[in-house]
Parts: sequence; C-alpha cells; structure tokens
Amino acid sequence: AQSVTQPDIHITVSEGASLELRCNYSYGATPYLFWYVQSPGQGLQLLLKYFSGDTLVQGIKGFEAEFKRSQSSFNLRKPSVHWSDAAEYFCAVGAQEGGGNKLTFGTGTQLKVEL
Amino acid sequence: GAVVSQHPSWVICKSGTSVKIECRSLDFQATTMFWYRQFPKQSLMLMATSNEGSKATYEQGVEKDKFLINHASLTLSTLTVTSAHPEDSSFYICRGEGRNGYTFGSGTRLTVV
Repeated sequence: AQSVTQPDIHITVSEGASLELRCNYSYGATPYLFWYVQSPGQGLQLLLKYFSGDTLVQGIKGFEAEFKRSQSSFNLRKPSVHWSDAAEYFCAVGAQEGGGNKLTFGTGTQLKVEL
Repeated sequence: GAVVSQHPSWVICKSGTSVKIECRSLDFQATTMFWYRQFPKQSLMLMATSNEGSKATYEQGVEKDKFLINHASLTLSTLTVTSAHPEDSSFYICRGEGRNGYTFGSGTRLTVV
C-alpha cells in the first residue's frame, strides 16, 4: 500500500522568501504524485502533478516540484512566497485501483507567511 | 476544466437524522467517485470508492450501512450519512474521476448537534 509523509506540520516564512515543503512517498511502482492546497474551510485546489517524463514539474501560482526517485521525494518549492500563499498544503500519491486513481494524502503542512 | 459541484457546502442537523450530500460532475463523466472525510486539522481519509452503476467499495473501518453511497449515473453521486451523531461532524469531500478529467468538489461541512 502506498503512503505519504510530510515531515513538517507547520512552516513559517517571511513574505518574499523562498519556500520548500517536503514530501516523501512509499509506493512499489512508479507513482503518480500530486500537490494540493487548501484554504480554511475550503476544498482542495490542484497545484501540480507528476505522472511521467520531466521530473521537474511546473504548477500554478509559481509553484514547482521535483520528483526524485532515488530519494522517494516530491518536494514543493516556490522562489518567492506571497502572503496569499498561507494555507494548508497536501502531498498525495496515486495508485490505479478499481478503475480510478486512488489518492493517499499526507498529513499536510500548514504554511504561515509573515509580512 | 473539469468541475465537480458539491452541495450543500455546509449543513447542521440534529443527532439521529440523515443528511444527503450530492456531487455532480458538470462537464465530464465521472466514472469513479471517491469520498473523503477530513476531521479538523487532519488529513483527508478515503472513505469509499464508487464506480458508476456498481456498489461502492469501503475502506476498512468505514461503516457501509451508515455511509450510503449511490453512483447511479456518470454525473451524480451521493453520500448519505444515516442516523448522524456528533462524532460524524466533519468535512466531507468528493473527487470525481473520468477519462476527461478529475477534480475535487468544494466540500461539505457537516455539524451534528
């Protein structure tokens, strides 16, 4: 069974600083990997995904993530954080099951941005 | 892009009553619908997976008789929380997946009093 670990429960960065959110996964085959963002009381918005190909994936809102098979990691990065980026971020790994892509989520990282 | 409309966005109900949550895929056919539950400050936990026209597959520990899932068409899936109790209070969110798209609904905040 697949699993996802997000080691950092909370991260605080200053506006304009760079950001890296860590994600490690466990899955026997080539994984489908996702990063989602969730604002308080809201649903989830897909930031980016990796299925295959280029290991550096560009997403929305200036985010990118790099798939490193040797480290089983899929860390999310942003060169300059904006105050509006404050939210909860979830990494997820997907596996094809029963005709659909079953996602397993990490526990999330709460990002706070200091002005 | 693919859109899943989820209603209601929030609901308050009395203990012992039932609540139905709807997810509609607006511009794609959701052959599979995943239902998740998220308790405060926790991650999303998969409750069940349903394929159109088939019975749902429930994750371990999820009571299928309490959380009734119907996926009778490619554009509509429902989750009914039967005889709700305060411990069922949570954020419920669906995710539709089809050949032309996959996306989350906006979620339903259920509070049982």
